[in-house]
Amino acid sequence: SYELTQPHSLSVSPGQTASITCSGDILGDKYACWYQQKPGQSPVLVMYPDTKRPSGIPERFSGSNSGNTATLTISGTQAMDEADYYCQAWDSSTVVFGGGTKLTVL
Amino acid sequence: QLQLQESGPGLVKPSETLSLTCTVSGGSISSSSYYWGWVRQPPGKGLEWIGSIHYSGRTYYNPSLKSRVTISVDTSKNQFSLKLSSVTAAGTAIYYCARRPGVAADLYFFDFWGQGTLVTVSS
Repeated sequence: SYELTQPHSLSVSPGQTASITCSGDILGDKYACWYQQKPGQSPVLVMYPDTKRPSGIPERFSGSNSGNTATLTISGTQAMDEADYYCQAWDSSTVVFGGGTKLTVL
Repeated sequence: QLQLQESGPGLVKPSETLSLTCTVSGGSISSSSYYWGWVRQPPGKGLEWIGSIHYSGRTYYNPSLKSRVTISVDTSKNQFSLKLSSVTAAGTAIYYCARRPGVAADLYFFDFWGQGTLVTVSS
C-alpha cells in the first residue's frame, strides 16, 4: 500500500520560514494536498492540488510537489500557525494521509 | 454556508457495529459534483480515511477496513451514513464526515469537514 512520510515535528521562530515535507514514491506524479489541524478542531484544507490555496488561506502558505517530495512552506510564520499539518494524496482508489507534522512556533 | 454534522452513539461495545450519520445542510448531497466521506482520528494520533460515497451509490473504501465498512446515502434526508462492524478498542476515535469535490478522478481532497464526534469502544 502507498505510504506518505512526514517528519514528526518541526520548530521555527516567529517570522522564519517553515518547510514541512511529505515523501512518497513518485509523489510528484500525483496531486498532494495539505490540512492544518489545531487542538480540538477539525482539519482545514490549506493547500490543493500541490500549489493552490483555498479561499481564506493566507498568502504566506505555499506548496510544491516534485519527484518524491511535496512541501508546504509557511513564510513569515506566525504564532497562529502552530498546529498539526497533514499531507494527503490519492493512490489506487485510496485516500492516503501522512502521519502528520507538529509545527511549534517559539 | 455548507455544514456537515455527525451524529450517533458515543459509546459502542466491542464486537458490535458502530453506526454514524452525517447530515448535510446548506447544500445538496445529490450534486453530481461531490463525493462524501468519513475520516477518523484516534485520540492523539493521525487521520485515517474510512471511505467515500457518491449520491449515485458509488463507493470507495479503505482496503484495510473494507470487509467491515458500509457507507450509504439517503438523498431524501440529505444524509449519508457509516456502519463499521466488529469494532474493537482500536476503533475509539473522533469520526469526521467531509466533502470531496469531484474535480478530477485523481485529484482528491476534502474541502469541508464536520466538527467530528468521539466514539468510544468499551464494554
